[in-house]
Amino acid sequence: QVQLVQSGAEVKKPGASVKVSCTASRYTFTTYAMHWVRQAPGQGLEWMGIINPSGGRTSYAQKFQGRVTMTRDTSTSTVYMELSSLRSEDTAVYYCARPRYSGYNYFDYWGQGTLVTVSS
Amino acid sequence: DIQMTQSPSSLSAFVGDRVTITCRASQSINSYLNWYQQKPGKAPKLLISAASSLQSGVPSRFSGSGSGTDFTLTFSSLQPEDFATYYCQQSYSTPYTFGQGTKLEIK
Repeated sequence: QVQLVQSGAEVKKPGASVKVSCTASRYTFTTYAMHWVRQAPGQGLEWMGIINPSGGRTSYAQKFQGRVTMTRDTSTSTVYMELSSLRSEDTAVYYCARPRYSGYNYFDYWGQGTLVTVSS
Repeated sequence: DIQMTQSPSSLSAFVGDRVTITCRASQSINSYLNWYQQKPGKAPKLLISAASSLQSGVPSRFSGSGSGTDFTLTFSSLQPEDFATYYCQQSYSTPYTFGQGTKLEIK
């Protein structure tokens, strides 16, 4: 069964950056794009962007352009999501998510989530 | 961006009720509409893709329909484990937006 294991919770001060990892296993890492979705406390789901692990190509939601960077390390089957210039509104659980079939953009597999708290 | 609007935002119902949740897109998304269930503290679970395709292992009491801009998720007979929050999501174009969610509660 596909596994997506994310890094642990983070507490950051406003203005700082955070880098969340998502390590994939039990499938060929470069075959499937990885998406990032976040959820603020008590709020809905928000799509942040996508990375193609094969070539590293990315596409970000306009809202996060300039603040988010998604990268991958094929040697460890890990994708990263770095968010900079953090503000309190960025406090959320961040998920990596993958479709079952390559080329589709709905999410069958999810990481366990990483809580990022932004507080002074 | 395509806006996804769910209604109602919350709903109380009895076990055994037939319930329908609606999702409307701000422009046509053909059948690129997916439904998720989320329980507190857990990642979302995909229930239905492409508007009506039930995922493996999802009970047949769930069904989805619609195309274009208007979609529905129907529960034929609510079970205790169905009480959760439900989200629609369009996979037609980036950003792949979600509805605001519908919280289904026990009456």
